[in-house]
Amino acid sequence: EADIYQTPRYLVIGTGKKITLECSQTMGHDKMYWYQQDPGMELHLIHYSYGVNSTEKGDLSSESTVSRIRTEHFPLTLESARPSHTSQYLCASSATMGLAGAASTDTQYFGPGTRLTVL
Amino acid sequence: AQSVTQPDIHITVSEGASLELRCNYSYGATPYLFWYVQSPGQGLQLLLKYFSGDTLVQGIKGFEAEFKRSQSSFNLRKPSVHWSDAAEYFCAVLPQGGSEKLVFGKGTKLTVNP
Repeated sequence: EADIYQTPRYLVIGTGKKITLECSQTMGHDKMYWYQQDPGMELHLIHYSYGVNSTEKGDLSSESTVSRIRTEHFPLTLESARPSHTSQYLCASSATMGLAGAASTDTQYFGPGTRLTVL
Repeated sequence: AQSVTQPDIHITVSEGASLELRCNYSYGATPYLFWYVQSPGQGLQLLLKYFSGDTLVQGIKGFEAEFKRSQSSFNLRKPSVHWSDAAEYFCAVLPQGGSEKLVFGKGTKLTVNP
């Protein structure tokens, strides 16, 4: 089973607050991802990183920002939370071919998610 | 356009019955194929994946999936469903190439009746 962690699991916060959602993995994966998922809906990629100091925006526009200063850590920040940010945020990681055995290459492993509610 | 289609939004089966969840993809070349399961309020757990080789893939929890190139399909099956299988199931594809991103279907919600 994959070792990828997200904290907090649940967060209820007021409008205008700054929040950081944490994501860490202990597998040495070079690639990491953030997805946003509304209840009962599909996943939308909002950010990804292919290595340290590499970050890119995903398919769904998001007001959040990310950083990748260490391989194992990929935090997501909202400078000023709004009710429209209420959603579940899922973090994932994967390894590039050559950095892992063929069995795990390019396979994304997901954390348990953070359910964010902005009042 | 490249896409992943899960035609069934919601499926209900009785416990002990067989299950098949459909997944079709539209890509020029055979991509890597995955099935994930998500329980309410949880993250996604990998059930199985297909990269190459044997087209019948065995996964965890008694699930299997069959890749059919001629039909561009990767359907998930289980011979006897348990109540604990009730969850959302997502098919996903990763175009081969190394720099592509995982594309998910919209998911199929499975309800299991006692």
